[in-house]
Amino acid sequence: DTAVSQTPKYLVTQMGNDKSIKCEQNLGHDTMYWYKQDSKKFLKIMFSYNNKELIINETVPNRFSPKSPDKAHLNLHINSLELGDSAVYFCASSQAAGGVWYGYTFGSGTRLTVV
Amino acid sequence: AQTVTQSQPEMSVQEAETVTLSCTYDTSESDYYLFWYKQPPSRQMILVIRQEAYKQQNATENRFSVNFQKAAKSFSLKISDSQLGDAAMYFCAYNEGGSEKLVFGKGTKLTVNP
Repeated sequence: DTAVSQTPKYLVTQMGNDKSIKCEQNLGHDTMYWYKQDSKKFLKIMFSYNNKELIINETVPNRFSPKSPDKAHLNLHINSLELGDSAVYFCASSQAAGGVWYGYTFGSGTRLTVV
Repeated sequence: AQTVTQSQPEMSVQEAETVTLSCTYDTSESDYYLFWYKQPPSRQMILVIRQEAYKQQNATENRFSVNFQKAAKSFSLKISDSQLGDAAMYFCAYNEGGSEKLVFGKGTKLTVNP
């Protein structure tokens, strides 16, 4: 199936731990993103990469570090987890074709709970 | 910065009836895209409908249609013949042409009553 897949779907961890979320897309898209959805359901962009190059880096703590080994993968590593990091993290991808942009294809999200 | 406002935190509709969700946005650009995404309890974000600002014709996808008023910066979503499966959070989103960043509104929770 063509898709954006994220692992894990659920992640429960203690404060102070380091964790990673992985994302892979097989759509051939050039651009990938990380969004955070908070407890009030608000979606905010964190990072975007275009063909392995960092394009958008919003105001995000340095504890969050994205890594894109190739254009099909974008991982998110979080150091020293805090209670406030609890949220749903979405990966997405997109592609512009012939000057037209069709929006995002989202992964199914990772619910991170920090205890 | 572009902003997207959804003024209705919650809406409800009877099954088989029609409901309209509101969205306004703020931009000084003339070239942009607008989207509605649906997020059911499964958490998956699903594209409902997409509108290109330069197209005057309102986009439609089966029971879903938009009323795009460019001068008023308004982009409402109409759901006809509502079904129980339409119950979800609906997010309006804006994208400036040439950028690949989506800015989302805060969402409207739609309940469909049987």
